Amino acid sequence: GNSVTQMEGPVTLSEEAFLTINCTYTATGYPSLFWYVQYPGEGLQLLLKATKADDKGSNKGFEATYRKETTSFHLEKGSVQVSDSAVYFCALSKKAGTALIFGKGTTLSVSS
Amino acid sequence: NAGVTQTPKFQVLKTGQSMTLQCAQDMNHNSMYWYRQDPGMGLRLIYYSASEGTTDKGEVPNGYNVSRLNKREFSLRLESAAPSQTSVYFCASHRDSGRETQYFGPGTRLLVL
Repeated sequence: GNSVTQMEGPVTLSEEAFLTINCTYTATGYPSLFWYVQYPGEGLQLLLKATKADDKGSNKGFEATYRKETTSFHLEKGSVQVSDSAVYFCALSKKAGTALIFGKGTTLSVSS
Repeated sequence: NAGVTQTPKFQVLKTGQSMTLQCAQDMNHNSMYWYRQDPGMGLRLIYYSASEGTTDKGEVPNGYNVSRLNKREFSLRLESAAPSQTSVYFCASHRDSGRETQYFGPGTRLLVL
């Protein structure tokens, strides 16, 4: 079946460090891939997405590239800030009218 | 533009009590979803509605019922709450395409004693 696997957290970094959160997926065909972010006490909001192979999604300094050959969608940021502290979810969507399939989430904590 | 709204924000129930979680969206979306979020489990789908008048079970539907009242509103009902239903519940919506963004509500924190 379809599934998403994320690296386990928590991830603890100092401000301005480089961030990578690994995400791999299992799915047939060509799913759309998403990264959502959840700040403390809030709902999830879309961070970035990619809908076809080799697409790069980007937003707020975060990037992720849809790699079909490695079935991956790793999230990266060159220099994290304290305000990036949140839980990050990788997700995939197979077709219209269906729910997202989420990874278990990775907690990022950035200290100054 | 309010997006997706949920009520209540927080609720405490005793085992066996019933309650309904309300969700509404003002984006004219066809599809709506209910998820629960538990520590270390990510988000798991409870029920979804691909269009007005239709509902389908998700991964963890036991103990819940839903109603798609109209295109805007999608409610989740716990008929007899159990401690295992202590969780944070999120409603979400999007248009038809799986390639489009799902928009989430702020969540309802439910504690069942």
